[in-house]
Amino acid sequence: AQSVTQLGSHVSVSEGALVLLRCNYSSSVPPYLFWYVQYPNQGLQLLLKYTSAATLVKGINGFEAEFKKSETSFHLTKPSAHMSDAAEYFCAVSAPEYGNKLVFGAGTILRVKS
Amino acid sequence: DGGITQSPKYLFRKEGQNVTLSCEQNLNHDAMYWYRQDPGQGLRLIYYSQIVNDFQKGDIAEGYSVSREKKESFPLTVTSAQKNPTAFYLCASTLGRDRINNEQFFGPGTRLTVL
Repeated sequence: AQSVTQLGSHVSVSEGALVLLRCNYSSSVPPYLFWYVQYPNQGLQLLLKYTSAATLVKGINGFEAEFKKSETSFHLTKPSAHMSDAAEYFCAVSAPEYGNKLVFGAGTILRVKS
Repeated sequence: DGGITQSPKYLFRKEGQNVTLSCEQNLNHDAMYWYRQDPGQGLRLIYYSQIVNDFQKGDIAEGYSVSREKKESFPLTVTSAQKNPTAFYLCASTLGRDRINNEQFFGPGTRLTVL
């Protein structure tokens, strides 16, 4: 089974609309979870991370994500999309069963329409 | 400013040539990583190193080689044995060894194209 699944390779929203990017993980123990953003031809930048403290994690640029163990999910949300949010977003998981390395999802490209 | 630098930004290689991608960090991080990025496939781990003079293969190490002679440097060589090397290559680092909750910091990447 895929260790990290991002549902939807492309998501399109209107400016000002809710952003929801989905991430499901598989792990036999509570993992550490990360969301990264990548702008074209650049490296990845950390948006937020879950490390077993609060289940609702707030990150940079108004993004947040909620860890739901029962659903094995860590979806990324933002109440109101800006044009500058257009980028590719990656969910990643780290857990002992993955050799303590980061395993990335395939990515979701977010398009913001004016 | 602390960070990770990768050079060159763009690299062109002829068939049969070896090329070396540079990665340098001044964050005093212990661990360094090389990833390959292809459209729609996320990032795949090539090699990683948690300490100087030691490194381990990742998921797609065939056709690649690395060295870690200095803490701040982790160059990647793409050899002629790599059959499909055209991709975007990202270097990353993290503080501490075996610290799975630490974030990785990424360089700006090198885009390699085989002519």
